[in-house]
Formats: sequence, C-alpha cells, structure tokens
Amino acid sequence: AQSVSQHNHHVILSEAASLELGCNYSYGGTVNLFWYVQYPGQHLQLLLKYFSGDPLVKGIKGFEAEFIKSKFSFNLRKPSVQWSDTAEYFCAVTHGSSNTGKLIFGQGTTLQVKP
Amino acid sequence: NAGVTQTPKFRVLKTGQSMTLLCAQDMNHEYMYWYRQDPGMGLRLIHYSVGEGTTAKGEVPDGYNVSRLKKQNFLLGLESAAPSQTSVYFCASSSQRGNYEQYFGPGTRLTVT
Repeated sequence: AQSVSQHNHHVILSEAASLELGCNYSYGGTVNLFWYVQYPGQHLQLLLKYFSGDPLVKGIKGFEAEFIKSKFSFNLRKPSVQWSDTAEYFCAVTHGSSNTGKLIFGQGTTLQVKP
Repeated sequence: NAGVTQTPKFRVLKTGQSMTLLCAQDMNHEYMYWYRQDPGMGLRLIHYSVGEGTTAKGEVPDGYNVSRLKKQNFLLGLESAAPSQTSVYFCASSSQRGNYEQYFGPGTRLTVT
C-alpha cells in the first residue's frame, strides 16, 4: 500500500533558525504533492503544492519544497522560522492519475518555535 | 464564498447515542471526504464521495455511515457512538480540475463519554 512518511515527529527550533522537514512517499508513478499546515486550534491550510514542472516550488509565508523524484522525497524548507510558524505540518500525496482524489497523509510534524 | 463549512463545531455524546455531522461546500467540487484526526496519527480517511449519490469506504469506516444526496453536502453519521470515536472530524472537498487540492472545513470536536 502507498504510504507517506514524515521522519520528524516533533521539532523545536529557535526563531531565525532554518527549517527542513522530511517527507518520503512510496508510490512510483506520477504524483501530486502537497504540504498542509495546521495552526493551533485551526483547520488545515495549503502551504504549497507540486503537480509538474519546476521541482522547486514556493509557497506562502516563505516556505518552499523540493521534489526529488529519484529519492521519492518532497522536503519542506524555510530559511528563517518565526514564532508564528509554530504549527503542525502534514505532507500528502495523491496519484497523478487518480480518479478519486484521495490524499495519503503523513503522520504530521509538530513544529515548536521558541521566541 | 464560504468554502467548506461544518456543523456543529463541538458536540458531547453519551455512549450509544447517535448524531450526524454536516459538511457543506460552495465550490461545486465533485469530491468530498471525511477524516478523523487523532494525536500522533495524522489524518485518517473515513469515507469519501466522488459525486452526488456515490460514497466509498476509506481507511477507517467502521462505526460510521455517510450520504451524499446533494452535490454540495456530505453527511457523516454515527449510529451508536463509542468512546473510541472521540476525535476531531474534518471534512474536505476537491475537484479534478484543481488537481485534487483539498480544501478543509474548520472541524468538529466530538467527545463521547
């Protein structure tokens, strides 16, 4: 079965530190890739997405992610985190040829940024 | 555009009681989904629908039923609530035209005592 793995479950950083959250998926075909963010007490919001083209995608709030097909990875990065980035981050994948749109989510990574 | 809305926001049930969660979307999306979110387990798909009148089981369907009588609404029912169903429930919708990017509702926090 397809799966998505997020290696870091809980990350604690100080403000201005750089961030990289790992995401690997197991499906070998064409994929659509997403990073969602959930701020405390809120619903999931889209940070960024990759469908095709340039493997380096930029999202909101200074986040970016790089799709490396050979490594089945879609890691999320931010050069300098802020306290307001404290949230839970989810990587998700769907097949490019899907006819159901089902997303497979990783377990999530909780990011805590200390002021 | 309200996006995806969910009713109610909070609910406390006693074991054995029933309830229905309502999800509505105004984006004319074909696809709708119900997830539950539990600490350390991410989001798990309960049921989904690829169009009006059609539903299918997801990863954790037991104890839940769904209906999609109208394109814009997706109902999640608990016939006999159990404490294991204490969770936060999220509804989402998507479209093929949008490459299945899912838009989420604000969630329903359900506690079963």
